[in-house]
Amino acid sequence: DQQVKQNSPSLSVQEGRISILNCDYTNSMFDYFLWYKKYPAEGPTFLISISSIKDKNEDGRFTVFLNKSAKHLSLHIVPSQPGDSAVYFCAASARYSGAGSYQLTFGKGTKLSVIP
Amino acid sequence: ETGVTQSPTHLIKTRGQQVTLRCSSQSGHNTVSWYQQALGQGPQFIFQYYREEENGRGNFPPRFSGLQFPNYSSELNVNALELDDSALYLCASSLEQFTEAFFGQGTRLTVV
Repeated sequence: DQQVKQNSPSLSVQEGRISILNCDYTNSMFDYFLWYKKYPAEGPTFLISISSIKDKNEDGRFTVFLNKSAKHLSLHIVPSQPGDSAVYFCAASARYSGAGSYQLTFGKGTKLSVIP
Repeated sequence: ETGVTQSPTHLIKTRGQQVTLRCSSQSGHNTVSWYQQALGQGPQFIFQYYREEENGRGNFPPRFSGLQFPNYSSELNVNALELDDSALYLCASSLEQFTEAFFGQGTRLTVV
């Protein structure tokens, strides 16, 4: 049973336009969400996070939106650049629930291609 | 500041053998987590070590075991290797248990 789902395996966007990557989750205990970017032959790199008490967090070109009632979050990249081409993973944890370890549950990833 | 480093980067083992993967955490980080990433999948949590104690475990059999040392570096040991253990093994360190995890480049394990 996949608790974090990224239903789009791939996405192509023109340089300069907006990239929107989506993520859905099923576990109501999740209260902290992260996005990681991964290039081939490298480990995932932390991009941005959001806790469940917020509905938006912004960092430069990256904005994450959280809709708790829909159990849905999205990552917006504006403007998209060719260097953003990578696999993006959504991850979730029950960070504040007292469940113990800071276990991250990941989606399968979305491969973003930004076309020059 | 040195990031998370893992060794070796690639490894080929035979089914039934044992393997040890190593991870040096980022300077100042006391928490290390291990993840397995199979092809086409997201990373899956194996376990976490906090101040040398196992602090949580995912759905992996006991033949997956680990250690954390006083300098907070860590090892992942896998006994009785199976073909399905072929994957990218990622180590992540964090400043404390509940802060953002920073990943190493991974060890690509192939079991033949």
